[in-house]
Amino acid sequence: DAGVIQSPRHEVTEMGQEVTLRCKPISGHNSLFWYRQTMMRGLELLIYFNNNVPIDDSGMPEDRFSAKMPNASFSTLKIQPSEPRDSAVYFCASSLRDTNNEQFFGPGTRLTVL
Amino acid sequence: AQSVSQHNHHVILSEAASLELGCNYSYGGTVNLFWYVQYPGQHLQLLLKYFSGDPLVKGIKGFEAEFIKSKFSFNLRKPSVQWSDTAEYFCAVSSKAAGNKLTFGGGTRVLVKP
Repeated sequence: DAGVIQSPRHEVTEMGQEVTLRCKPISGHNSLFWYRQTMMRGLELLIYFNNNVPIDDSGMPEDRFSAKMPNASFSTLKIQPSEPRDSAVYFCASSLRDTNNEQFFGPGTRLTVL
Repeated sequence: AQSVSQHNHHVILSEAASLELGCNYSYGGTVNLFWYVQYPGQHLQLLLKYFSGDPLVKGIKGFEAEFIKSKFSFNLRKPSVQWSDTAEYFCAVSSKAAGNKLTFGGGTRVLVKP
């Protein structure tokens, strides 16, 4: 299995631009999680989906952030417009719900907003 | 609501020293417990997990953890660390009441000096 796949691995953009991060979960997994990691705030859960449906988006910082999961094998996290304080590593993770919730993490996208 | 507390933010020790990282959680019901490791520049990887049964859990790379229900603790141990154990370690908990999301502790950065 290829594991959780994220793209791009690195993204550098200018303030005000739209950023789209992509995630392909492990095949067969039915839960997907988006996390943000920074030195200051550590690891934060932004949003998660069960069976492509958003369950808890209370961690999404602002309306500038949105996430979609149009099908079981793809999810996007979009920031529009981006700001320098959005600079972080964004991780996607997936799990098979009801199997004790072990999550498998992707390699992350390192986002730098100038 | 469940929460996780990791007592030490930073630990520095020499090779061959023993390591113990503390983890306490707040939820009183049935929980699943995890330790993840994040090596420099990499994503989170599962070290070990506890679902039920023997409270002493053995994981990869010589790590083990002991679940003590009466103390709400799940401390991580390794008898003799190596330089390659330099990483950040995260404790996490999940429960049915919280859906299937993981709640992570703040992490402990471990530096092993050669």
